[in-house]
Amino acid sequence: GAVVSQHPSWVICKSGTSVKIECRSLDFQATTMFWYRQFPKQSLMLMATSNEGSKATYEQGVEKDKFLINHASLTLSTLTVTSAHPEDSSFYICSAHGTWRDNSPLHFGNGTRLTVT
Amino acid sequence: AQTVTQSQPEMSVQEAETVTLSCTYDTSESDYYLFWYKQPPSRQMILVIRQEAYKQQNATENRFSVNFQKAAKSFSLKISDSQLGDAAMYFCACKSNFGNEKLTFGTGTRLTIIP
Repeated sequence: GAVVSQHPSWVICKSGTSVKIECRSLDFQATTMFWYRQFPKQSLMLMATSNEGSKATYEQGVEKDKFLINHASLTLSTLTVTSAHPEDSSFYICSAHGTWRDNSPLHFGNGTRLTVT
Repeated sequence: AQTVTQSQPEMSVQEAETVTLSCTYDTSESDYYLFWYKQPPSRQMILVIRQEAYKQQNATENRFSVNFQKAAKSFSLKISDSQLGDAAMYFCACKSNFGNEKLTFGTGTRLTIIP
């Protein structure tokens, strides 16, 4: 089945630094990828929709200059948390939708646990 | 815009018994899909079952089945013969078949299996 690889699975960084998270579709082309954020014991909140070759669409309240999204190819989207602060500590999950319209569900990465110290 | 509501933050069931998780949703779309995802402690999102809104027949996947009531906008998940491995957070989700097709999740139900 379709596989989405997310890397790293966990990362610890210092306040003020930037962290890049990668989301790759391994066996299909993903025209659209989604980035979610999940706080402990809460649901997944959509941050942005990443479209290959165009600018990402951010959800209301998400700072686009802080959470930079790049979807330069059909198999890779990256989320960069810039100038990270402790409140950015969270679990980030990507998901991908293929180019085929077979109504398949989104395929999720394994998530990245970010801790900002 | 879509909203998904899960009114049961926590549920528990005896092993081998049956449990039903509730979900209601609201959407203005005519063509949409509904899903149940499972998130175990590993936090990997695992698709449990999906339902296409235009299909009247309730979806089933082995021990998992849904009760889809379109007019009531209800989409409950029934787990039969509960197993210890079913313990997880369960999220109900809705996806439009138009636009960017993003998933809207409910707040989740934590299911505990009692041995």
